Amino acid sequence: DAKTTQPPSMDCAEGRAANLPCNHSTISGNEYVYWYRQIHSQGPQYIIHGLKNNETNEMASLIITEDRKSSTLILPHATLRDTAVYYCIVSTSGTYKYIFGTGTRLKVLA
Amino acid sequence: SAVISQKPSRDICQRGTSLTIQCQVDSQVTMMFWYRQQPGQSLTLIATANQGSEATYESGFVIDKFPISRPNLTFSTLTVSNLSPEDSSIYLCSVEVGTAMEKLFFGSGTQLSVL
Repeated sequence: DAKTTQPPSMDCAEGRAANLPCNHSTISGNEYVYWYRQIHSQGPQYIIHGLKNNETNEMASLIITEDRKSSTLILPHATLRDTAVYYCIVSTSGTYKYIFGTGTRLKVLA
Repeated sequence: SAVISQKPSRDICQRGTSLTIQCQVDSQVTMMFWYRQQPGQSLTLIATANQGSEATYESGFVIDKFPISRPNLTFSTLTVSNLSPEDSSIYLCSVEVGTAMEKLFFGSGTQLSVL
């Protein structure tokens, strides 16, 4: 079973920040938080991952709470092309098993 | 990163036949993974394919229905056998790339429709 829970859907205005929450209350100490997105039935695309520190790359920022039981993916300036299903996954590096939950369907509105 | 070529991109098959999906990676990888995505659903891991050994199947998936080959470090095939309409799904190949911080890369998927 997936170890994460996410809201099923969210809307965001174009140009605004999209904040996607994820709950992973049973995360263990050596598990990373990964985020992927899937645009219209294409293969999922890696966005970002982290262990306990906040992370930022060219696509997004990842904020992980101090207790690591939840995290938020931030798309700082959402565009229409960011409309997709976003998946939050927890996995131990090297276990080679990624369990996808139901994800959040983000709709960016013009 | 990794570039994954998956073929065919889509197919329409008759009930009772089989479809073999090919996955080619542009670099050598240890593990390859096959996922199924049923209409409107999330991804479900079918099996993990390690070169030189039998694939490891997840609960609910069996080798007779989903035989997998992994002849080398850049290639794998998934066969969906004895097709029924319930097998209509997107099938995705993926690989894990990286040393200390692995990431999954996915092929573009195979859209299978069974009549």
